[in-house]
Amino acid sequence: EPEVTQTPSHQVTQMGQEVILRCVPISNHLYFYWYRQILGQKVEFLVSFYNNEISEKSEIFDDQFSVERPDGSNFTLKIRSTKLEDSAMYFCASSEMNEQFFGPGTRLTVL
Amino acid sequence: GNSVTQMEGPVTLSEEAFLTINCTYTATGYPSLFWYVQYPGEGLQLLLKATKADDKGSNKGFEATYRKETTSFHLEKGSVQVSDSAVYFCAGDNDMRFGAGTRLTVKP
Repeated sequence: EPEVTQTPSHQVTQMGQEVILRCVPISNHLYFYWYRQILGQKVEFLVSFYNNEISEKSEIFDDQFSVERPDGSNFTLKIRSTKLEDSAMYFCASSEMNEQFFGPGTRLTVL
Repeated sequence: GNSVTQMEGPVTLSEEAFLTINCTYTATGYPSLFWYVQYPGEGLQLLLKATKADDKGSNKGFEATYRKETTSFHLEKGSVQVSDSAVYFCAGDNDMRFGAGTRLTVKP
């Protein structure tokens, strides 16, 4: 069964560094999403992406964040100048219609 | 925009007890509604869904009915097991906003 994959599973970085989180959505899906979940807290929507552009973003998704679909398979989230409070699980999701399929997440730890 | 509000918990039950986790929604139009489950240390898995009013989603003994008149999608299970211990999230599409999550702990 097709699934969404994410790499790496765990990323440790120093405060102020840039990180790129990678996702491979399900191949025939057209809509892509990023969410984050700070440990033990709610799942927060970051951004949705369709037709090679951002379709919606939350107030969390400021200039520190960017997304890109650099080729036909990958969907990346770049976080510039990471802060301690960026430590969280980051989930990618993709959908064909209204049901989203989630990847296993990348745990980002900012030291 | 759409939003969902769910009972935050935590909820602690004994095995074989009846479970209800409340979820209500606010929406323009008629969103699809979902329950996701997150087991300890894992990602999000779709548990069940309903795409229109009066639909009932069901899976693994869990059920939820899309009720337009009360704008609700409450999750129920007649007899919970220890293995049901997890965090449950209610969500709606059209930007898929998630509820805050309800942590369920089932004790033997």
